[in-house]
Amino acid sequence: DTGVSQDPRHKITKRGQNVTFRCDPISEHNRLYWYRQTLGQGPEFLTYFQNEAQLEKSRLLSDRFSAERPKGSFSTLEIQRTEQGDSAMYLCASSLAKPAASNTGELFFGEGSRLTVL
Amino acid sequence: RKEVEQDPGPFNVPEGATVAFNCTYSNSASQSFFWYRQDCRKEPKLLMSVYSSGNEDGRFTAQLNRASQYISLLIRDSKLSDSATYLCAVNNGPYSSASKIIFGSGTRLSIRP
Repeated sequence: DTGVSQDPRHKITKRGQNVTFRCDPISEHNRLYWYRQTLGQGPEFLTYFQNEAQLEKSRLLSDRFSAERPKGSFSTLEIQRTEQGDSAMYLCASSLAKPAASNTGELFFGEGSRLTVL
Repeated sequence: RKEVEQDPGPFNVPEGATVAFNCTYSNSASQSFFWYRQDCRKEPKLLMSVYSSGNEDGRFTAQLNRASQYISLLIRDSKLSDSATYLCAVNNGPYSSASKIIFGSGTRLSIRP
């Protein structure tokens, strides 16, 4: 499978615990995005990387959230001291940032990691 | 004001009908515009990019109005399989530079037989 993969697909945790999600983008893609989606809403931007550099982080992201992409390939999103309000689908997407006629800027999403905080 | 806003929906239309969605964006510097489709419990997938001159892909037509800062999606001769949530997305800068992609809240479409 050469698409974006996310792990785990489902995570149930107790309030106060830490959780970490992993995203493996399409191999040649240099941009990687994290979004959060709740029922009935669109994907909410969290942060994104170009290669290993984290270029922007949403102000909605509290200091309990941190993301890394240490070697410009896979990325991790960690949530510390989880709260019930963190329950959501966490989506990762990748794209190829290269100005080319065939490059539409399309984001390719993984299937998401669903977090339930009890 | 949200950066990207869409018709709230839901739209419930009969098969064969024409349906149109609008989406407004707040950043006048936005350069790239997209429509994504999201099926229930699935990830979003690109439906089509939106170009300045407007573009068509089969039954789907996308338009951009920079002056009024909105994009639209028209679906003609709707099929049952068109039932999904349609998300507009805006890239807040020239594609060749680093910029984030912001999504609207989505418009849910249901096609009835």
